[in-house]
Amino acid sequence: DAGVTQSPTHLIKTRGQQVTLRCSPISGHKSVSWYQQVLGQGPQFIFQYYEKEERGRGNFPDRFSARQFPNYSSELNVNALLLGDSALYLCASSTQAKQGSGEKLFFGSGTQLSVL
Amino acid sequence: AQKITQTQPGMFVQEKEAVTLDCTYDTSDQSYGLFWYKQPSSGEMIFLIYQGSYDEQNATEGRYSLNFQKARKSANLVISASQLGDSAMYFCAMSAPQNSGGSNYKLTFGKGTLLTVNP
Repeated sequence: DAGVTQSPTHLIKTRGQQVTLRCSPISGHKSVSWYQQVLGQGPQFIFQYYEKEERGRGNFPDRFSARQFPNYSSELNVNALLLGDSALYLCASSTQAKQGSGEKLFFGSGTQLSVL
Repeated sequence: AQKITQTQPGMFVQEKEAVTLDCTYDTSDQSYGLFWYKQPSSGEMIFLIYQGSYDEQNATEGRYSLNFQKARKSANLVISASQLGDSAMYFCAMSAPQNSGGSNYKLTFGKGTLLTVNP
């Protein structure tokens, strides 16, 4: 079975532009989460979606938005890019609506976004 | 708020020896989970081991074991018989409610430890 797939793998944008990152979860997984990993840091939670509904949001500005489609794939959008948005964006999928304390996340390899 | 602290930016170990990666956490939640993930240079986060806050026995998964000391709020990862392929970043993470009393959880990660296995 295919794991979590993300596209593109690398992306270069300039300040002020908009970007869309895509994620396909593992087959049968209905929950998708997005994390931002800045160089030298651990990943930080951005969003969680289940059945097309936002179930959680981290401490990120409104420039960040996401959505989930009926096939459970997801897109992360970032508007008005800043230099500080340069990071590895990781998508993770899991089976449960409620990401319980024991719910294991399966991560993709990420999209490396560089903002110049 | 939840916090994960990994005090070892880098660790070195000889092949076939055991190594312990430190992790301490802080939370006011009673129900939480502790995870260790491995991140090789490819970027993918690979699940290694999980420990629930109510689990009385330390978790083990093959060569990985988690030394859970609840009173000290520590969850150290022990890798036995290190292999060259174990060289990677290792992240400790805690799953806890996104909001106080909520039912949706998120992972909070530490800054990671870069493990290098020498031949």
